[in-house]
Amino acid sequence: GAVVSQHPSRVICKSGTSVKIECRSLDFQATTMFWYRQFPKQSLMLMATSNEGSKATYEQGVEKDKFLINHASLTLSTLTVTSAHPEDSSFYICSAKHRDRGYHEQYFGPGTRLTVT
Amino acid sequence: LAKTTQPISMDSYEGQEVNITCSHNNIATNDYITWYQQFPSQGPRFIIQGYKTKVTNEVASLFIPADRKSSTLSLPRVSLSDTAVYYCLVVPPGGSQGNLIFGKGTKLSVKP
Repeated sequence: GAVVSQHPSRVICKSGTSVKIECRSLDFQATTMFWYRQFPKQSLMLMATSNEGSKATYEQGVEKDKFLINHASLTLSTLTVTSAHPEDSSFYICSAKHRDRGYHEQYFGPGTRLTVT
Repeated sequence: LAKTTQPISMDSYEGQEVNITCSHNNIATNDYITWYQQFPSQGPRFIIQGYKTKVTNEVASLFIPADRKSSTLSLPRVSLSDTAVYYCLVVPPGGSQGNLIFGKGTKLSVKP
């Protein structure tokens, strides 16, 4: 149990276009979802925290108008990278907090590899 | 949030026991210690978490001394498939936002 999926797993887009990444908790309800970004050979960096039905909280230095997050239900959060540029190319990973479990045990998706050309 | 320090890399051979130690000198009274494993191009996977003493599951053991300023993840009889990056995190209990702050992790390389 406690499976998180992401779609797409890999996407290539042209500079200036927007890309939407979906994060779904498949067999549990997630009150909170987190979005991370990971550059090659680096650690995960938290971008934002989203709670179902409310606005996301962004980490310092993350542009909220560029990285739009929507947490429309207890099983789905989306990250839209608007007007993507090559420097946005990265590995984007979401995680979800199980509604009935502590924050110290989060479940991560498999990640989405974004390449902006 | 408490900062963690762990070795950047470790090498081991198949069948050996691997112990990865993490320092968290500023851990707060209610914080949990949590370890995640990450394979290349995959999301992290929760391995084990504990508060004090020893915790064991089917994957690993976690040893936490009385002062809780460090912890040791123990992987028994590693195999090639255990080659991954291991992250030690200190996490506040439920009721807070529970943001997971990942450090650099320890890259474990298991050789045949």
